Amino acid sequence: DAGVIQSPRHEVTEMGQEVTLRCKPISGHDYLFWYRQTMMRGLELLIYFNNNVPIDDSGMPEDRFSAKMPNASFSTLKIQPSEPRDSAVYFCASSSGLAVDTQYFGPGTRLTVL
Amino acid sequence: EDQVTQSPEALRLQEGESSSLNCSYTVSGLRGLFWYRQDPGKGPEFLFTLYSAGEEKEKERLKATLTKKESFLHITAPKPEDSATYLCAGAAGNKLTFGGGTRVLVKP
Repeated sequence: DAGVIQSPRHEVTEMGQEVTLRCKPISGHDYLFWYRQTMMRGLELLIYFNNNVPIDDSGMPEDRFSAKMPNASFSTLKIQPSEPRDSAVYFCASSSGLAVDTQYFGPGTRLTVL
Repeated sequence: EDQVTQSPEALRLQEGESSSLNCSYTVSGLRGLFWYRQDPGKGPEFLFTLYSAGEEKEKERLKATLTKKESFLHITAPKPEDSATYLCAGAAGNKLTFGGGTRVLVKP
């Protein structure tokens, strides 16, 4: 398997623009997690899905953030409008219901909002 | 609120110089304690899961142990390729709470 795939790997945008991050989980995994990593706050869980259904979005910082999972092989994290404080590395991870805690992470998307 | 704290923040070792990393946790309903390795520019890579106090897991030069309040990651005779950031995380329900990590640099 190719592992968790994220795109783009780098994104530079201007404040106020819409940003969409994409994730393809490992085939057969039924849990998908979105994390944000910053120097100040470390790695934080934003939202996770089980069988394409959002289960816990308590980590989503504001209404400007939204996430969807239209099918088992694709998820998006959208920020609209983006702000400089959203600059971070965003990771997607997936796991199997048989070993829900062993999460496999993608390479991340480094977002810079100017 | 669940909390995971790692120390030290950074560790510089000479090749072959063994050391230990600490992870203290306060996680309600802890189901497991996880260790990950993260290389620069990459996502965290799973190393170990520990489920009960007294449990130990080993992988090459790494050994993880767990008590009721802490976990330790022992690095025995490290090599430069062990240089990375090591993250621990406590699992409650389906959620992981991560510590801030320990950056390890092993010099030849």
